[in-house]
Amino acid sequence: DGGITQSPKYLFRKEGQNVTLSCEQNLNHDAMYWYRQDPGQGLRLIYYSQIVNDFQKGDIAEGYSVSREKKESFPLTVTSAQKNPTAFYLCATSRSAREADEQYFGPGTRLTVT
Amino acid sequence: DQQVKQNSPSLSVQEGRISILNCDYTNSMFDYFLWYKKYPAEGPTFLISISSIKDKNEDGRFTVFLNKSAKHLSLHIVPSQPGDSAVYFCAATGETSGSRLTFGEGTQLTVNP
Repeated sequence: DGGITQSPKYLFRKEGQNVTLSCEQNLNHDAMYWYRQDPGQGLRLIYYSQIVNDFQKGDIAEGYSVSREKKESFPLTVTSAQKNPTAFYLCATSRSAREADEQYFGPGTRLTVT
Repeated sequence: DQQVKQNSPSLSVQEGRISILNCDYTNSMFDYFLWYKKYPAEGPTFLISISSIKDKNEDGRFTVFLNKSAKHLSLHIVPSQPGDSAVYFCAATGETSGSRLTFGEGTQLTVNP
């Protein structure tokens, strides 16, 4: 069953704690992305990775960190430095890292920090 | 600097009628455009795309029109169905963006039975 898995679906954390969101894909896609969605706003790019062991900052990388040790996995850590961490987080993949192509999205993780 | 804008946060139409969702962009380097549909608490799903070498692309009930001179694209859904009720995002990319997409804010479409 091919696809993108994000777990958990809902995550609750206390302020000041770091939290890691999981994203796994078995599509054999080269590129992976993390977005956040806030009400009334579009999808904003946090980080992306075009190849294993390499990643680049997106438009709103502050307070986040990522790793890409395996092609299949691209975990996102929301650190305590992120001022407004409560959001819906979406992981996506695309076949090519170089060319325009559609991105495939996971089901998302709703993070609530109180 | 919002390079892709969807100026209508919401749109309401009757079942069976046409839905027209609009999107404007400012970056002249964008040459590939996509539309995504998103239900609450789910990831977006790809609907249709268009390259700048075309001005129209059709897939069943969905047609995307591109007006390069106006830097404007639109998604037409005919006939609209209640199951089309969702948030629609347009996205754009270009040669200098690689595989990065820039998304608009989204438009909430409601199709009333």
